[in-house]
Amino acid sequence: GESVGLHLPTLSVQEGDNSIINCAYSNSASDYFIWYKQESGKGPQFIIDIRSNMDKRQGQRVTVLLNKTVKHLSLQIAATQPGDSAVYFCAENPPGTYKYIFGTGTRLKVLA
Amino acid sequence: EPEVTQTPSHQVTQMGQEVILRCVPISNHLYFYWYRQILGQKVEFLVSFYNNEISEKSEIFDDQFSVERPDGSNFTLKIRSTKLEDSAMYFCASSVRTTGETQYFGPGTRLLVL
Repeated sequence: GESVGLHLPTLSVQEGDNSIINCAYSNSASDYFIWYKQESGKGPQFIIDIRSNMDKRQGQRVTVLLNKTVKHLSLQIAATQPGDSAVYFCAENPPGTYKYIFGTGTRLKVLA
Repeated sequence: EPEVTQTPSHQVTQMGQEVILRCVPISNHLYFYWYRQILGQKVEFLVSFYNNEISEKSEIFDDQFSVERPDGSNFTLKIRSTKLEDSAMYFCASSVRTTGETQYFGPGTRLLVL
């Protein structure tokens, strides 16, 4: 898959534990943020998004936190499962542009 | 669940050859995008496309690249004369609306230029 060969930060967690993946974004004016999951050989898969007028959003087993003061985004995965093993990317959408700016990604490894 | 599809999944070509990468966006989406990911690097924006014209492009998207929506379903990326450094994973994405909306990505085409 696309993640092969990438020298990514890796987070290893025990199955059932909670995972926290962090991301620093670049543009203080960005107003829309997304977390993507990329499994080997597949494209980025949408997990959860958040707009800049919020600081927290929850989905099913996932929570995204946004700290605009320090331009920081985090993804929390509750009760991590083996199927959560993947590379996770944050992306920001600066205002008035169509493009997403992606972070470098974090590899999550779930240990049985 | 509707998804973006891309063909081929893999393409090997000789330097200087033209390649066309194909995408079928989600059917009710109006905005289309191409990104690439060189091995070991971040996913990078190339171009966005709406209403049959380019709405935004990056510095990477030079005259060697072009995009087209030849019919009601396909969206293509053409590289006219491939270079070794064009080797990458190319992702197509689509969204219902414009900025501040979720872009849904296809599985990618791995391009290898020899």
